[in-house]
Amino acid sequence: EVQLVESGGGLIQPGGSLRLSCAASGFTVSSNYMSWVRQAPGKGLEWVSVIYSGGSTYYADSVKGRFTISRDNSKNTLYLQMNSLRAEDTAVYYCAKASYYYDSSGYAAYYFDYWGQGTLVTVSS
Amino acid sequence: EIVMTQSPATLSVSPGERATLSCRASQSVSSNLAWYQQKPGQAPRLLIYGASTRATGIPARFSGSGSGTEFTLTISSLQSEDFAVYYCQQYNNWPPLLTFGGGTKVEIK
Repeated sequence: EVQLVESGGGLIQPGGSLRLSCAASGFTVSSNYMSWVRQAPGKGLEWVSVIYSGGSTYYADSVKGRFTISRDNSKNTLYLQMNSLRAEDTAVYYCAKASYYYDSSGYAAYYFDYWGQGTLVTVSS
Repeated sequence: EIVMTQSPATLSVSPGERATLSCRASQSVSSNLAWYQQKPGQAPRLLIYGASTRATGIPARFSGSGSGTEFTLTISSLQSEDFAVYYCQQYNNWPPLLTFGGGTKVEIK
């Protein structure tokens, strides 16, 4: 059974740093595309970052240069290092596993098939 | 950036009735669209991917249709557990371009 369990959230002052963890079971993190998605209180979903199975990483413009996604293959765990935090980074952060199919153009199309329960990050003085 | 617009923002439906939710993309996303259900305090749950393929374990009362820029999620006969917020998401050419719609809240009439 696939499970994703996030941890590491909490209250942090503006300008501070925090590292989120996502412990996975039932599959291998390093063999899959893994992402972080966040949701500000009472708002919709916002994609944050992805790490490819090959190790390449991408970020939303809103966090580029401040957040770093990584993984520890030995622990089967995904991470999100968040630096220079701002009030607008306040949100529940979800990790998500991506799966794929080949679309009509022959390209691999990825979507999120499993999500963790989320961890709340509050940036406030 | 592809903008996803969902309508209506809130849909009031009686149990047993049909619910029809719409999602529009600002440019074509082919059939690379997913629908998620989210209940209060819970993570999103995948319902539909590829615009019309139900995810594992999703009841047949949920169906998706559309391609290009216009998509629809239909719940044929609403059950009490279906009252939630529904999000569409395009993943055409992702990574790295991925965006969600603003959501439709389905509430009890």
